[in-house]
Amino acid sequence: QVQLVESGGGLVKPGGSLRLSCAVSGFSLSDHYMSWVRQAPGKGLEWISYITNSGRATHYADSVTGRFTISKDSAKNALYLQMSSLRVEDTAVYYCARELKGYYFVMDVWGQGTTVSVSS
Amino acid sequence: DIQMTQSPSSLSASVGDRVTITCRASESIGNYLSWYQQTPGKAPKLLIYDTSSLQSGVPSRFSGSGSGTDFTLTISSLQPEDFATFYCQQSYGTPPTFGGGTKVEIK
Repeated sequence: QVQLVESGGGLVKPGGSLRLSCAVSGFSLSDHYMSWVRQAPGKGLEWISYITNSGRATHYADSVTGRFTISKDSAKNALYLQMSSLRVEDTAVYYCARELKGYYFVMDVWGQGTTVSVSS
Repeated sequence: DIQMTQSPSSLSASVGDRVTITCRASESIGNYLSWYQQTPGKAPKLLIYDTSSLQSGVPSRFSGSGSGTDFTLTISSLQPEDFATFYCQQSYGTPPTFGGGTKVEIK
């Protein structure tokens, strides 16, 4: 059964750090690109980062470049998002998502999301 | 970045109605357009990709059309489980961008 389960969200002060994890089951991270997408409270969806199946390439939205780092551990079937220098505007539900094989940025499997709140 | 504009932002409809949602891109995106459905508190669900390809398991009452800058999602006969927010998303350019969403509510 293909499944993504995020964890690691919580309340953090502005300027703080947090690491999100996404546990993957039912498929191999070596076969799919993976993305993180976030949704601020009451707002729409914002793509923030992807990592290739090989892990050799990553890309970020301008809003998080230099502050967030995507990585993965294929042996552990886990995807990560290291977030630092967090801002109030980073408050959101963070989803990990699998990209449909052969289709850039088409996200066919999503986790349930983990909530990050940045507040003093 | 490519801007995606959806209309309407919300609509009220009854079970059995035919519903059409439109999405416009700020520049041509070929057919690199997907549609997602999201119910409150849940993750988005992929409905359609490449403008008109139905994702596995998605009911055939959902269909998509368009090309270039103008796209449409049609629900041929609205069902109770279809009341949700729908998002279009382009996958032509980086970063991928989403429309603002269309909330479909019960009339």
